[in-house]
Amino acid sequence: DMKVTQMPRYLIKRMGENVLLECGQDMSHETMYWYRQDPGLGLQLIYISYDVDSNSEGDIPKGYRVSRKKREHFSLILDSAKTNQTSVYFCASSPGQQDTQYFGPGTRLLVL
Amino acid sequence: GDSVTQTEGQVALSEEDFLTIHCNYSASGYPALFWYVQYPGEGPQFLFRASRDKEKGSSRGFEATYDKGTTSFHLRKASVQESDSAVYYCALGDGANTGKLTFGHGTILRVHP
Repeated sequence: DMKVTQMPRYLIKRMGENVLLECGQDMSHETMYWYRQDPGLGLQLIYISYDVDSNSEGDIPKGYRVSRKKREHFSLILDSAKTNQTSVYFCASSPGQQDTQYFGPGTRLLVL
Repeated sequence: GDSVTQTEGQVALSEEDFLTIHCNYSASGYPALFWYVQYPGEGPQFLFRASRDKEKGSSRGFEATYDKGTTSFHLRKASVQESDSAVYYCALGDGANTGKLTFGHGTILRVHP
């Protein structure tokens, strides 16, 4: 069964703290994604990774960076978190660039 | 740029009603079209896709037909159940091979028993 996992599921941080969100997939998918979801704005793409160390900005990359050192893991990093980064973050993976994306369960981040 | 417009806001139905959620797209060529469903507290789940004109996608009693003439991919189900209550997203693949999906803003479906 195809699975995308995310850790942690819930996180509370103070403004200015660093945040690390982790995503894993067990399907050897090449392409992985980070999105955020906010009420009224739907899903917004932050970054795409086409493979190890091959990352590309999405539509809203400002304030975020990513790391992909192994095909099955993709991390989202917030250096010095801001209150407007409070959101639900979803990771997704896809076998290739034209293929279906499979989403993880999400991480709910609250920045105080 | 590419865009997706779907039924705005909320659709309220009773069990066994017929469902239609409209989805229209704007893009060149033959982009892949998708439907996703999201239940409370979960990530979006892939429902089905279609990649060419007149192709029908279907899953769990839901279906949609790719119509290039009307640039539409409307979601339909003949008889909804309370368990179908969720948010439904139409999405458009990127024909430029960047791997991006353009999502609609989502339609909330509430089915009353």
